[in-house]
Amino acid sequence: EVLLVESGGALVQPGGSLRLSCAASGFTFSKYNMNWVRQVPGKGLEWVSYISAGGDTLHYAESVKGRFTVSRDNAKNSLYLEMNSLRDEDTALYYCAKVPSNTSGFKIYYYGMDVWGRGTTVTVSS
Amino acid sequence: EIVMTQSPATLSVSPGERATLSCRASQSVSSDLAWYQQKPGQPPRLLMYGASSGASDLPPRFSGGGSGTEFTLTISSLQSEDIAVYYCQQYHDWPWTFGQGTKVEIK
Repeated sequence: EVLLVESGGALVQPGGSLRLSCAASGFTFSKYNMNWVRQVPGKGLEWVSYISAGGDTLHYAESVKGRFTVSRDNAKNSLYLEMNSLRDEDTALYYCAKVPSNTSGFKIYYYGMDVWGRGTTVTVSS
Repeated sequence: EIVMTQSPATLSVSPGERATLSCRASQSVSSDLAWYQQKPGQPPRLLMYGASSGASDLPPRFSGGGSGTEFTLTISSLQSEDIAVYYCQQYHDWPWTFGQGTKVEIK
């Protein structure tokens, strides 16, 4: 069974730091790009960050750029999100999601996000 | 940033009737568009990618269409288990962006 399990969410004060983890199983983790997506309870979805299969290409939402860092350890089948200088507006449920793709020449073809974890809750509050 | 706008915000449909959801992009995203279904307390589920390609195990009553800036998701015969919020999302350019969602409810 293909599974993603997030962990590390917690209550943290504004300005604090947190590290989220996403454990993958049931597929060859090292072959897939990964995303972090967040959702404020009762609100919509917001893409946060992307990391390529090899970890050499990173993308961030403007709202987290310079504060969040995505990384992965393919030997441990794990994805991470290092979150610094946390703000009230970072409060959300954080999902990791698998991002399948194919490369033809210099172009990457994506196919949406086909597997999602159940999320881990981050609350930023004093 | 490409802004995705979904309409309507809420769609009330009788069981067995057709539901048509719309998604508009602020600039062309070609066919680089996905649709997700999210039920309460659950993570999103991929329904469509490439605007019109169905994800695995997708019931045939779901179909997607469009390209460029205008897209639709159609549920040909609404079932009670289709009650959910539906999101479109473009992956044509960074940052990837979602629409605000359409809530489908039973009339």
